[in-house]
Amino acid sequence: GDSVTQMEGPVTLSEEAFLTINCTYTATGYPSLFWYVQYPGEGLQLLLKATKADDKGSNKGFEATYRKETTSFHLEKGSVQVSDSAVYFCALSDQSGGGADGLTFGKGTHLIIQP
Amino acid sequence: DTEVTQTPKHLVMGMTNKKSLKCEQHMGHRAMYWYKQKAKKPPELMFVYSYEKLSINESVPSRFSPECPNSSLLNLHLHALQPEDSALYLCASSQAPGQGAQDQPQHFGDGTRLSIL
Repeated sequence: GDSVTQMEGPVTLSEEAFLTINCTYTATGYPSLFWYVQYPGEGLQLLLKATKADDKGSNKGFEATYRKETTSFHLEKGSVQVSDSAVYFCALSDQSGGGADGLTFGKGTHLIIQP
Repeated sequence: DTEVTQTPKHLVMGMTNKKSLKCEQHMGHRAMYWYKQKAKKPPELMFVYSYEKLSINESVPSRFSPECPNSSLLNLHLHALQPEDSALYLCASSQAPGQGAQDQPQHFGDGTRLSIL
């Protein structure tokens, strides 16, 4: 079955540091890939997405590139802020079977940004 | 603000109570989902509705009963829950297969935080 592996953390960085959160996946079909962010006490917000190989998703300074050859979708940001502190989930969706299906999530990475 | 609205935000109930969680979206999505999320864990899929029909039930105990009365609403009826059912319950919606491209993102509500006494 499909699976997503991501570094769990917590990851602690200083403000303005460079961020990378690694994510790799296994899937039988041709999935779409997503990064979601969850702030304390809230639901999940879509951060960015990529639907095919070599697509780059970007939003709010975050970027991730769909790498089919390495089955990866690493999240990066050049300069993090305290407000980026949250839990980040890498996820995939594979509807090649034809029906609506749930997302397959990684375990989540807790990011802590210190001033 | 999210485009998927869940009520109530918090719910405390005894093990013998009956209550319902509600979810509403007006994005025209025809796929709707219930997830359960325990602390420090990713969401776990419970149910999927596609075009108002239940298409996936992930072996959820019968004390959880979903209902999709129309294309905008999704309910989760609760009865005789156990303490281990305490969790954040998240609703999500997306375009269903046939509405557009495959694998469209799911949009989540802020959840209902459920505590079972």
